[in-house]
Amino acid sequence: KAGVTQTPRYLIKTRGQQVTLSCSPISGHRSVSWYQQTPGQGLQFLFEYFSETQRNKGNFPGRFSGRQFSNSRSEMNVSTLELGDSALYLCASSPHPTDHNSPLHFGNGTRLTVT
Amino acid sequence: QKEVEQNSGPLSVPEGAIASLNCTYSDRGSQSFFWYRQYSGKSPELIMSIYSNGDKEDGRFTAQLNKASQYVSLLIRDSQPSDSATYLCAGPPGGGGNKLTFGTGTQLKVEL
Repeated sequence: KAGVTQTPRYLIKTRGQQVTLSCSPISGHRSVSWYQQTPGQGLQFLFEYFSETQRNKGNFPGRFSGRQFSNSRSEMNVSTLELGDSALYLCASSPHPTDHNSPLHFGNGTRLTVT
Repeated sequence: QKEVEQNSGPLSVPEGAIASLNCTYSDRGSQSFFWYRQYSGKSPELIMSIYSNGDKEDGRFTAQLNKASQYVSLLIRDSQPSDSATYLCAGPPGGGGNKLTFGTGTQLKVEL
């Protein structure tokens, strides 16, 4: 079974631009979560989607948004990029958001660099 | 107080020794915990999950959960150089869901 696929793997953007990251979950997984990882803050929760609905949102500004499609694929968008948005963005999937027997499985991430 | 706390390390152990990684949490409602391993430049991969008080063993790994003390640990027996990585402890809020709160991770170095 293929794992979580994130594209692109690397992105370089300049301040003020916007960016869209894509995530394809493991086949059959309907819950997709996004995390930001930086050396200083570690892994921080961005948002979680299930059945095209945002279930939870982390403490990030409104510049960070996401959506989920009917095939469970998800995208996240960051507008008006700031230098501090440089990070590894990780997508994770699981079959169901409350199924504790099936924890999160992470993709390889998208490394975003803002210059 | 952070919701999930870990000692950042690095924790250095000789090859063949037992590595003990610890994590404390503040949300008494948390019911399950996960240990992830992350190699430098890679994404986190699940090592162990634990939902009940006590020990859970899987090969060289043993997870321990003490809900009364709000303490989770991961023991790695017969440590190998390939175990050198950052180990992340994570737990959901008491309400469940996939909003996992991660500790900042403990860097483990297994020395020859």
